[in-house]
Amino acid sequence: GQQVMQIPQYQHVQEGEDFTTYCNSSTTLSNIQWYKQRPGGHPVFLIQLVKSGEVKKQKRLTFQFGEAKKNSSLHITATQTTDVGTYFCAGLIGGTASKLTFGTGTRLQVTL
Amino acid sequence: SAVISQKPSRDICQRGTSLTIQCQVDSQVTMMFWYRQQPGQSLTLIATANQGSEATYESGFVIDKFPISRPNLTFSTLTVSNMSPEDSSIYLCSVEGQVGNTIYFGEGSWLTVV
Repeated sequence: GQQVMQIPQYQHVQEGEDFTTYCNSSTTLSNIQWYKQRPGGHPVFLIQLVKSGEVKKQKRLTFQFGEAKKNSSLHITATQTTDVGTYFCAGLIGGTASKLTFGTGTRLQVTL
Repeated sequence: SAVISQKPSRDICQRGTSLTIQCQVDSQVTMMFWYRQQPGQSLTLIATANQGSEATYESGFVIDKFPISRPNLTFSTLTVSNMSPEDSSIYLCSVEGQVGNTIYFGEGSWLTVV
C-alpha cells in the first residue's frame, strides 16, 4: 500500500532557528496536505498543495510540492515557541478524503 | 468550520470491556470518518461512517472490533469492543473540511486501557 514517510522524526531547535520537515510518498499524489497537532491537541489543517512544483506561504511557513508530486516540504523561518507540535503531511491519491494517507509526522520542540 | 463534539473526551477502561464514543456535528455532513492515533504515532483511518448503511472499514479494522453507527447526517458512534491495552489511543471523529478532500478533526477521545 501507499506509504508516506517524513524526516526527521524529531527536531529540537532554539527559538529563532529555521526548521524543515520533508515528506516522501511511494506513489504519485493528487495533492499533499499539511496538518499541525499541538501537544495534547488534535490535528489541524494548515494547507493543501495541488500543482506540481507549487509553493505556498503562510507567514513564516513555506510549503512546497515536488515536481514529480511525490514529495513535499514544510519550512519554518525563525521558529517561535508557538510552533511546537507535530507536523503531519497527508497524501491524497485521487478519490475522496477517505483516501488520504498521513505521514509519519515530525515532532518539533522549540526552546528559548 | 463544523463544530464536532466527542464524548467521552477521556476515559480509563478495564481490559475486556467495550466503550462507545459519540460524535455530534453541528451541521449535516455527508462523510464522517473515524481515525485512531496510537501513542506517538500517526493517524490511521479506521472507517468511513455512511448514513443509512454499513460503515466502510479500512484494511486491518473489522466491524466486530469497531462497530460503527451513523443514524443521521449529524451523529455517529464508534464502539471499541473487548478492549486490550493495545487499544489505548486517541480516537478522532472527523468530517470533510471546507477545502475539498481535507479533514476537519474533532478534539478526540483519549482512551487508556488498563
